Amino acid sequence: SAVISQKPSRDICQRGTSLTIQCQVDSQVTMMFWYRQQPGQSLTLIATANQGSEATYESGFVIDKFPISRPNLTFSTLTVSNMSPEDSSIYLCSAMGQIGGRALWQQYFGPGTRLTVT
Amino acid sequence: GENVEQHPSTLSVQEGDSAVIKCTYSDSASNYFPWYKQELGKGPQLIIDIRSNVGEKKDQRIAVTLNKTAKHFSLHITETQPEDSAVYFCAASLRGAGNTPLVFGKGTRLSVIA
Repeated sequence: SAVISQKPSRDICQRGTSLTIQCQVDSQVTMMFWYRQQPGQSLTLIATANQGSEATYESGFVIDKFPISRPNLTFSTLTVSNMSPEDSSIYLCSAMGQIGGRALWQQYFGPGTRLTVT
Repeated sequence: GENVEQHPSTLSVQEGDSAVIKCTYSDSASNYFPWYKQELGKGPQLIIDIRSNVGEKKDQRIAVTLNKTAKHFSLHITETQPEDSAVYFCAASLRGAGNTPLVFGKGTRLSVIA
């Protein structure tokens, strides 16, 4: 299975600022995703991070608010821009399709970044 | 698009009893159904998954069943232990020639009472 790490694990930010979350996978993967999880709620997909091209965003999420980078097959970043208290949430990185691995369909998650906006 | 319904939202069982969580999905094209366990303060952990060409899969105390005709799948945990207490999420997607993102159920909070 792929091991995924995220930085930072948590942060408290002021309204109007931006935070960039980093996601590192210990092996090359075909697909990486970013999810948001409100406290006590399910997971909502923000976007699919595409290597070498623009991310694919889900309905309700836009690039200006959540710019995403994926410079290679093991790393991605999500920026939460111009934050408001409504952005307080857990942000989760996920990956699937371990290149050279056997479990191509399985999708794994990082530990999450707990963001609080004051 | 895909829609996944999960029941119950909360479940309490006595240690040693079995727990069953059920999910239904709407898109008949979905062919991959994983289950995740999420403990407090951690990311979701994949515990078992099943593909649409299989009706049942078992891994020690955990089993998943799939009924493609009825479009529902279930997680069965036998001989529950306090460490099984967590939130469990089911999900569905299309994998293979055309990948679609996982769509998650709303989760089941399982409490195992010692």
